[in-house]
Amino acid sequence: NAGVTQTPKFRVLKTGQSMTLLCAQDMNHEYMYWYRQDPGMGLRLIHYSVGEGTTAKGEVPDGYNVSRLKKQNFLLGLESAAPSQTSVYFCASNYRIGLDTDTQYFGPGTRLTVL
Amino acid sequence: KNQVEQSPQSLIILEGKNCTLQCNYTVSPFSNLRWYKQDTGRGPVSLTIMTFSENTKSNGRYTATLDADTKQSSLHITASQLSDSASYICVVGGAYTAGNNRKLIWGLGTSLAVNP
Repeated sequence: NAGVTQTPKFRVLKTGQSMTLLCAQDMNHEYMYWYRQDPGMGLRLIHYSVGEGTTAKGEVPDGYNVSRLKKQNFLLGLESAAPSQTSVYFCASNYRIGLDTDTQYFGPGTRLTVL
Repeated sequence: KNQVEQSPQSLIILEGKNCTLQCNYTVSPFSNLRWYKQDTGRGPVSLTIMTFSENTKSNGRYTATLDADTKQSSLHITASQLSDSASYICVVGGAYTAGNNRKLIWGLGTSLAVNP
């Protein structure tokens, strides 16, 4: 049971390049999330998914797209990277539907630098 | 505005000592309050989750308290260990729909260093 895994761990991009971050979970969780963490700011929700084939915008969705084609995978795409997207990206997931106290499990993070 | 404020910003204690971290929030309507531990370079790990009706919850040497009337919470760490060195983040859940966690408001964390 690997929990939540993220690929890659580190990446450096040039402005305008594109990339996809992969999140995978093996806990059969329904809900998955992408956050970014920046110095001096709390974690901010980018996009989330409440089930396979569904996605929704979070607090800071601009410049990002997501897809949830399989229940265990949640992809975060940057179509044209900008320096403002330099951050640490965390994926999270949780299982129980209808409860607001369900524990979120986080991945190890992806450190992205956009030059 | 929904906010979560934590104090102190950073703290240094000696191994074996106790410490208490504070969290004040203005999130409304309130649903739940969580404490996470985040080691450097790692993802957050959940320590406790409390709802409106709970005023204390423990997880090993970690004990969280909640006063929903004053909108304050604390995290007490007993007999600290070197491995407790981390950032401790208070997170407050506001009203939600469909059971997801999209209304979580994250604090900035308290950076704790436990020295030998």
